[in-house]
Amino acid sequence: GEDVEQSLFLSVREGDSSVINCTYTDSSSTYLYWYKQEPGAGLQLLTYIFSNMDMKQDQRLTVLLNKKDKHLSLRIADTQTGDSAIYFCASVLQAGTALIFGKGTTLSVSS
Amino acid sequence: DTGVSQDPRHKITKRGQNVTFRCDPISEHNRLYWYRQTLGQGPEFLTYFQNEAQLEKSRLLSDRFSAERPKGSFSTLEIQRTEQGDSAMYLCASSLDRGPETQYFGPGTRLLVL
Repeated sequence: GEDVEQSLFLSVREGDSSVINCTYTDSSSTYLYWYKQEPGAGLQLLTYIFSNMDMKQDQRLTVLLNKKDKHLSLRIADTQTGDSAIYFCASVLQAGTALIFGKGTTLSVSS
Repeated sequence: DTGVSQDPRHKITKRGQNVTFRCDPISEHNRLYWYRQTLGQGPEFLTYFQNEAQLEKSRLLSDRFSAERPKGSFSTLEIQRTEQGDSAMYLCASSLDRGPETQYFGPGTRLLVL
């Protein structure tokens, strides 16, 4: 079945860019998502990208998708302390079915 | 649009007791999902509903777990004879069956089984 992997930790300084990486195994994935989770809270949808796109930009967020390498990245420009959280990459094989999540990347932003 | 709500937010119970959680999806969303998240892991899918029909169940959903969505609106997840291994965050999500069918999550119910 589908497997999604992420690096576990990333530490950056306030104002720098953060890049969080994710790899997935099933080339049939139709949509790929980025969610943010703050301590003790549910998941907040940040952005998603359809599998036929290479890039999507939304304010400070840029998503890059390399289908050949099954690699997804999330770039956060001008990272702020409020961006400190766990970021989850998720894929779905068919819209409306179960999301497959990675283990999450903990982003720590220092001032 | 008030978002997905879940109740209770926290539950502490003794091993062997039954617990029930409720999820209210975004009002026009006809798909509803349950996930479980343990410490240091991403959410894992349990089950989902299209309106009142339960369409898919994960192997994680043992026979002690049951979920319902009787009128196609709110849903309940019941765990019978709880075990310490059931301690986790239980997350509910909902989506519309059009377009990207993006899933929006509630705040979760944190269960601790003593």
